Amino acid sequence: NAGVMQNPRHLVRRRGQEARLRCSPMKGHSHVYWYRQLPEEGLKFMVYLQKENIIDESGMPKERFSAEFPKEGPSILRIQQVVRGDSAAYFCASSPWNTAQSSYNEQFFGPGTRLTVL
Amino acid sequence: DQQVKQNSPSLSVQEGRISILNCDYTNSMFDYFLWYKKYPAEGPTFLISISSIKDKNEDGRFTVFLNKSAKHLSLHIVPSQPGDSAVYFCAARVQGGSEKLVFGKGTKLTVNP
Repeated sequence: NAGVMQNPRHLVRRRGQEARLRCSPMKGHSHVYWYRQLPEEGLKFMVYLQKENIIDESGMPKERFSAEFPKEGPSILRIQQVVRGDSAAYFCASSPWNTAQSSYNEQFFGPGTRLTVL
Repeated sequence: DQQVKQNSPSLSVQEGRISILNCDYTNSMFDYFLWYKKYPAEGPTFLISISSIKDKNEDGRFTVFLNKSAKHLSLHIVPSQPGDSAVYFCAARVQGGSEKLVFGKGTKLTVNP
């Protein structure tokens, strides 16, 4: 059973370009989360999606960032008009459907995409 | 504001001894606390969790203790092994269904042979 897959692993963009980060969750997982890790920082939650639905986007910057998890295909995190401050590691995690809030629904993380904005 | 704090950026211990990693939190709305381990160039890997209604959870060499009155939790690794050398993140889940995790900045553990 393959783990969470992210591609590309490394992405270099010039200021003003667009960055597209892809995440394929583990087989059977219907929940996807995106986190960002700036240098010397912990991971910061960005967005939580289920198939075709954004459940919680409270951590997403209001402009230039968007995320989707279509019915078919990977989840995409899109950053338009990148700036140097967007340089970070972006991690995707997935979890299976959890009908019981009384237990912890483990999030399985991918290896991350390291975005460098020149 | 930093709701989950790991005040020690690094910790060094000898192989075979106990490693104790600490974490403090400020938000009483967390219902689960977790520890993740991360190697360079890899994603975090889940280690152990504890519900906010418990005070201890043990899994092999790893034990997590929760002190709700002090808003403090700790991860004990006994005995420590060189392969345990990694960055350890404390994280907490926000109560209420979002499933989002709030992470600390991490503590880099080095276990010396």
